[in-house]
Amino acid sequence: GAVVSQHPSRVICKSGTSVKIECRSLDFQATTMFWYRQFPKQSLMLMATSNEGSKATYEQGVEKDKFLINHASLTLSTLTVTSAHPEDSSFYICSASRVVDTEAFFGQGTRLTVV
Amino acid sequence: SQQGEEDPQALSIQEGENATMNCSYKTSINNLQWYRQNSGRGLVHLILIRSNEREKHSGRLRVTLDTSKKSSSLLITASRAADTASYFCATDGVGGATNKLIFGTGTLLAVQP
Repeated sequence: GAVVSQHPSRVICKSGTSVKIECRSLDFQATTMFWYRQFPKQSLMLMATSNEGSKATYEQGVEKDKFLINHASLTLSTLTVTSAHPEDSSFYICSASRVVDTEAFFGQGTRLTVV
Repeated sequence: SQQGEEDPQALSIQEGENATMNCSYKTSINNLQWYRQNSGRGLVHLILIRSNEREKHSGRLRVTLDTSKKSSSLLITASRAADTASYFCATDGVGGATNKLIFGTGTLLAVQP
């Protein structure tokens, strides 16, 4: 299967700082990537759709100024959690697909802890 | 919420037994997928079933889909301790966007050795 790499896998940051998470498709080009958030023992909630070369599309209730998404190339999307607070602590996962109508491949996730 | 629901929320079985998990969803779909997640890890894709398919097999996995009831089931046969994980169904086609996945609530499977 295709490989999606997410970095970092774990990050601890101080309250008020910003954190950038990278999602890379290593062996294919992905015009669209997706960002999900998962709280402990809960399911994945879609946050936004990252579109290469254009603005991200955010799901209802997700603050776009809080979670900045940039998809500058066909193999890289970044999620920046700005002015992080303890309630932003969560597991963030990205996914990417090679072409429409095939399975999505997921990164290994990033566990963010804001202290 | 568009999120699907799975039941049971948790399932504990003995090694060698079969495990069945059910998923219900709310909207029309293109495909339904099942994923596995080990604790604190990323997702592993298990199987994809298209909306015009009713049943699909992959190794010890059997997935059924009933679009009239908007439901799916995942059967794991001859379970092993290594099958212990959370299992999620995910549907796409929401808003016409394939691969924009909406996940179910998940089933936590524990297989006792």
